[in-house]
Amino acid sequence: TQTVSQSDAHVTVFEGDSVELRCNYSYGGSIYLSWYIQHHGHGLQFLLKYYSGNPVVQGVNGFEAEFSKSDSSFHLRKASVHWSDSAVYFCAVSASTNTGKLTFGDGTVLTVKP
Amino acid sequence: DPKIIQKPKYLVAVTGSEKILICEQYLGHNAMYWYRQSAKKPLEFMFSYSYQKLMDNQTASSRFQPQSSKKNHLDLQITALKPDDSATYFCASSQGTGGINTGQLYFGEGSKLTVL
Repeated sequence: TQTVSQSDAHVTVFEGDSVELRCNYSYGGSIYLSWYIQHHGHGLQFLLKYYSGNPVVQGVNGFEAEFSKSDSSFHLRKASVHWSDSAVYFCAVSASTNTGKLTFGDGTVLTVKP
Repeated sequence: DPKIIQKPKYLVAVTGSEKILICEQYLGHNAMYWYRQSAKKPLEFMFSYSYQKLMDNQTASSRFQPQSSKKNHLDLQITALKPDDSATYFCASSQGTGGINTGQLYFGEGSKLTVL
């Protein structure tokens, strides 16, 4: 069974600040890790994913995430946030099977103040 | 232009009734999914289909029945509605269900269902 934990329900920063949104997972086998963003009233949009190789992956809009096997983590970072980055961010894991099922964390609400 | 169309965007139903949520994708993808998002629970996986074949079903209740009339359609029929079914239902798609396609889904805008 895969589980995903996003320890911070809410994060508030100012525009131009850097931010890190945390994600920890538990699963015994090979997994795919991904991040999604959901603006209020809309569907989720894919940001980035990791399976193997370079543990730092680049995504859209300046987001990047770093995989750590020792910490069972896949934290999302951005060096300088914009007010439009205010949204809910979801971390997700998927076992390397053929069903396509994603297990999502509870989400982190990011608020960027001007 | 939206690539995944969900209809209706909002719907209200009475307990015991039946509703169908429509989903069409124009991304040329082979796999489609349904997820549910409610105030009580985070995004929950419900079903996955690949080439119109059921791949995974994590929905305990048979009241939820996906229907795939075409490769780019995956509707969701919900019968004997209950207030606990109130949620936003998201349709999603991906190029495939495994390999390099794993973990990268494209979501529709959702259908928000309220059951009174």
